[in-house]
Amino acid sequence: TQLLEQSPQFLSIQEGENLTVYCNSSSVFSSLQWYRQEPGEGPVLLVTVVTGGEVKKLKRLTFQFGDARKDSSLHITAAQPGDTGLYLCAGASGANNLFFGTGTRLTVIP
Amino acid sequence: NAGVMQNPRHLVRRRGQEARLRCSPMKGHSHVYWYRQLPEEGLKFMVYLQKENIIDESGMPKERFSAEFPKEGPSILRIQQVVRGDSAAYFCASSPIGTAPNQPQHFGDGTRLSIL
Repeated sequence: TQLLEQSPQFLSIQEGENLTVYCNSSSVFSSLQWYRQEPGEGPVLLVTVVTGGEVKKLKRLTFQFGDARKDSSLHITAAQPGDTGLYLCAGASGANNLFFGTGTRLTVIP
Repeated sequence: NAGVMQNPRHLVRRRGQEARLRCSPMKGHSHVYWYRQLPEEGLKFMVYLQKENIIDESGMPKERFSAEFPKEGPSILRIQQVVRGDSAAYFCASSPIGTAPNQPQHFGDGTRLSIL
């Protein structure tokens, strides 16, 4: 079983602060995806990283894939209340499914 | 809206009844995945299907659970003789091809199953 652990599990910050969420595994993945999930809805894809060391930016969100393709991070600059949600990382290993992380629930307080 | 459609959105069953969850993939997508999510947890893979074929069911419980994706119509996840532990949100995702390094899966909004 390929496990992806995310930290922190819960995070509550003030609007305007910066934060980093981590996704770690002992397994190597061919790619890693980050999703955000709102209550009552399905996960929505934010980004896919494929190459070790790759960095992708999506407005105020910066995603990095570790050199060894075992871990990833999500950094949010100047968090907004609209960033509130459950952030999930998911790794693909060439098998027929995604292995999802344990999730980080972010709350941004206005 | 050509997104992944799941129905019903909410389903309540009594212990011992059957639950049938439906998923219509995005237009043009022929690969369907089912996941289960417990509160405050990530998604756990259950089964991967193509039209008329089960490709990978390694995440499916050995008993009471089955899935199909017929030539015509939606994919169905069937749970027989439900128990309280089956209460969860069940998500369906689709993709045009199987999992590939940069091929995303598109998720529906899920069916929330509650067992009384």
